[in-house]
Amino acid sequence: IAGITQAPTSQILAAGRRMTLRCTQDMRHNAMYWYRQDLGLGLRLIHYSNTAGTTGKGEVPDGYSVSRANTDDFPLTLASAVPSQTSVYFCASSAGRGVYNEQFFGPGTRLTVL
Amino acid sequence: AQSVTQLGSHVSVSEGALVLLRCNYSSSVPPYLFWYVQYPNQGLQLLLKYTTGATLVKGINGFEAEFKKSETSFHLTKPSAHMSDAAEYFCAVSDRSGDKIIFGKGTRLHILP
Repeated sequence: IAGITQAPTSQILAAGRRMTLRCTQDMRHNAMYWYRQDLGLGLRLIHYSNTAGTTGKGEVPDGYSVSRANTDDFPLTLASAVPSQTSVYFCASSAGRGVYNEQFFGPGTRLTVL
Repeated sequence: AQSVTQLGSHVSVSEGALVLLRCNYSSSVPPYLFWYVQYPNQGLQLLLKYTTGATLVKGINGFEAEFKKSETSFHLTKPSAHMSDAAEYFCAVSDRSGDKIIFGKGTRLHILP
């Protein structure tokens, strides 16, 4: 069982370029999340999806978009990357809300925008 | 709105000594509380969680945490630190009907030989 996979592992990107970070889970979890982790700031939620076909904005959604066409996949797109989006990005999933909201994390994608 | 404060961005303890990582939360409703651990170059893993019932929660790797409503705290402890405990630890809160977990900024635990 793989759990959550993310691709790529790392990426260096020129500013202004479009980039999609991929996330796939095989646990049939309803909810999925994207976080960015920055030194001294902890994890901040970018976007989330409670179930396939729905998405919501987190704490820092600007400059990012997501889609949830099916249960397993939750890609994160940077339409036009900027240096402030240099970060480590983590995808997570959970079976649902409330008491079920134990989140399982992927290994992360390290993104550098130059 | 929920929030989490972790006291101390870095904590150092000697191997074999008590580990105490502090977490205070703010929540308008009874919270669900979590501690996660992140080892270098990895994602987060759940250590333990409090939902209802017993206020002393035991987790993996010998860690435990106590929910104290009167102090709005959920401090993480381990009686005897091991070198393998060196990692970053995150406290988090989720309300009972929420879609999201709010993470603290993290505490990096250093173990001194």
